Amino acid sequence: GNSVTQMEGPVTLSEEAFLTINCTYTATGYPSLFWYVQYPGEGLQLLLKATKADDKGSNKGFEATYRKETTSFHLEKGSVQVSDSAVYFCALSPIRGSTLGRLYFGRGTQLTVWP
Amino acid sequence: DAGVTQSPTHLIKTRGQQVTLRCSPKSGHDTVSWYQQALGQGPQFIFQYYEEEERQRGNFPDRFSGHQFPNYSSELNVNALLLGDSALYLCASSPSGPGVETQYFGPGTRLLVL
Repeated sequence: GNSVTQMEGPVTLSEEAFLTINCTYTATGYPSLFWYVQYPGEGLQLLLKATKADDKGSNKGFEATYRKETTSFHLEKGSVQVSDSAVYFCALSPIRGSTLGRLYFGRGTQLTVWP
Repeated sequence: DAGVTQSPTHLIKTRGQQVTLRCSPKSGHDTVSWYQQALGQGPQFIFQYYEEEERQRGNFPDRFSGHQFPNYSSELNVNALLLGDSALYLCASSPSGPGVETQYFGPGTRLLVL
């Protein structure tokens, strides 16, 4: 089946620290992979995506590389800011079959950045 | 370009009541999906609508039903509300062709069942 496992939070960092949030997945076939971010009291915003092996998604200083051999899609940022404080969700979507276009989410990782 | 919109933003209901949530997709999108996000959890897929029909469904009881209109907007209906239905309900839209897997979310409707 399809599932996503994220590192458990919360993660607390000082401003300008390096961020890694681990994400691994199980899927039939080769899905598309996503990171979404949720700020307090809001819906989900698409942060970045990758659609095939070795693709690197990037946005707002965040990056994640689709690693087929380790079934991973870890989120990284070189220097976090207070404004990055939010909950981050890793997700996958099958690209064919009866579950095409359905998102499977991890449980989310709370990030808090202190000034 | 308007993104995905949802209404209402908040709702309070009592057990046994029925509720209807509404969603308008992003311009150019014709596929709408609904998710339930319980507090502290990741969103769970409820169902997806395309061409006014339910195309796929997650592991939710029949109390959860939906509808899609010719203008692609959608409704989520929940009957016989339970306390456990309290959650943030998220609507997401995508195109039906290339890019169907990339979904854009609305701000959600927060439902509290007392």
